[in-house]
Amino acid sequence: GENVEQHPSTLSVQEGDSAVIKCTYSDSASNYFPWYKQELGKRPQLIIDIRSNVGEKKDQRIAVTLNKTAKHFSLHITETQPEDSAVYFCAPRGLSSGAGSYQLTFGKGTKLSVIP
Amino acid sequence: NAGVTQTPKFRVLKTGQSMTLLCAQDMNHEYMYWYRQDPGMGLRLIHYSVGEGTTAKGEVPDGYNVSRLKKQNFLLGLESAAPSQTSVYFCASSPLLSRIPSEQFFGPGTRLTVL
Repeated sequence: GENVEQHPSTLSVQEGDSAVIKCTYSDSASNYFPWYKQELGKRPQLIIDIRSNVGEKKDQRIAVTLNKTAKHFSLHITETQPEDSAVYFCAPRGLSSGAGSYQLTFGKGTKLSVIP
Repeated sequence: NAGVTQTPKFRVLKTGQSMTLLCAQDMNHEYMYWYRQDPGMGLRLIHYSVGEGTTAKGEVPDGYNVSRLKKQNFLLGLESAAPSQTSVYFCASSPLLSRIPSEQFFGPGTRLTVL
């Protein structure tokens, strides 16, 4: 199966600064790379995703970049706000999970704290 | 649309007891999943289903069974609960989009404690 690692596990930034979270994966055939945000006590929700034919995708203050050669993708949050405080999970989808299953393998998460 | 709902929200069991967690979705999604979330472990896939009447094992299936008799429902059963099954359980669903991976929509979670 897919091996997924996220770094860092915790991240504290001052409000207005940028935050970057990196996710490395093992399956070179992975073709879908989403990021989920989970606020305390809430359900995970998709915030941005990218497919293997695209190198970068941006949505307002968040962006995801993909380096398929190095097998990693990163979440970038600019102009951080207190409401960005949450746990963020990467969840690449590898073909070793089974072509018809669309299984995601979640990283262990990064706890982001934005200090006002 | 209610999206993905889970019943119950909280439950406390004694070791050896059984229970069933119910997941329902009203989005006509083909795929449904059960995850467990433990501190520092992220979400781990227990079982999943690619359509009505079909189920398959995920990463951590031992001690759990599932059934998908109706497209909108996905049931997770614990036959003999153990303290190691204390966790938060999330159900999720996703649509079939021409075999392209897409967003998984999560339910609110069930917090289970096994004493």
